[in-house]
Amino acid sequence: GAVVSQHPSWVICKSGTSVKIECRSLDFQATTMFWYRQFPKQSLMLMATSNEGSKATYEQGVEKDKFLINHASLTLSTLTVTSAHPEDSSFYICSAEAGGGRVSNQPQHFGDGTRLSIL
Amino acid sequence: TQLLEQSPQFLSIQEGENLTVYCNSSSVFSSLQWYRQEPGEGPVLLVTVVTGGEVKKLKRLTFQFGDARKDSSLHITAAQPGDTGLYLCAGARSYNTDKLIFGTGTRLQVFP
Repeated sequence: GAVVSQHPSWVICKSGTSVKIECRSLDFQATTMFWYRQFPKQSLMLMATSNEGSKATYEQGVEKDKFLINHASLTLSTLTVTSAHPEDSSFYICSAEAGGGRVSNQPQHFGDGTRLSIL
Repeated sequence: TQLLEQSPQFLSIQEGENLTVYCNSSSVFSSLQWYRQEPGEGPVLLVTVVTGGEVKKLKRLTFQFGDARKDSSLHITAAQPGDTGLYLCAGARSYNTDKLIFGTGTRLQVFP
């Protein structure tokens, strides 16, 4: 089945550091990748939609200069949290799908998430 | 404002009991999915429903999409400890979008 790999799975860093999270589709080409944020005991909130070769589309309230997304190839998207602060601590999850259009035809395949802790 | 409200928020039951989780909205969705998520992992897709009134069964799990495509339910028969996890519904607002809106989540704990 379709596998999505996220790296790192867990990162702890000091306030002010920039952190890059990678999302890779291992056995399929992902034209679209999504980045979500999940706070403890809460649901997933979509941050942005990443399309290969074009600029990411950010959801309302998400700072694009804070959360830099790059989707340079059909198998890799990266999320960089710039100048991270404790309030950015969260569980970040990516998903990837093989094609755009109907959700029912192209399911999203989720990575196992990255737990980010900013001290 | 959360578009998809799930109830109950928490559920703690004994092995062998039946349970139903609800996912409600005032908005219409073109399709709706149910996921199960375990701590420290990404959500895993259980089912997708696309037709109003549709019922799908996955072993002991029964999923139903409301006639008006505004709500859905997940029924688990004879729950087992392995069913423990966070259950999330997620909907797509139209046929031309692949963006998912996730529900508020239901945390299920099944005790042996």
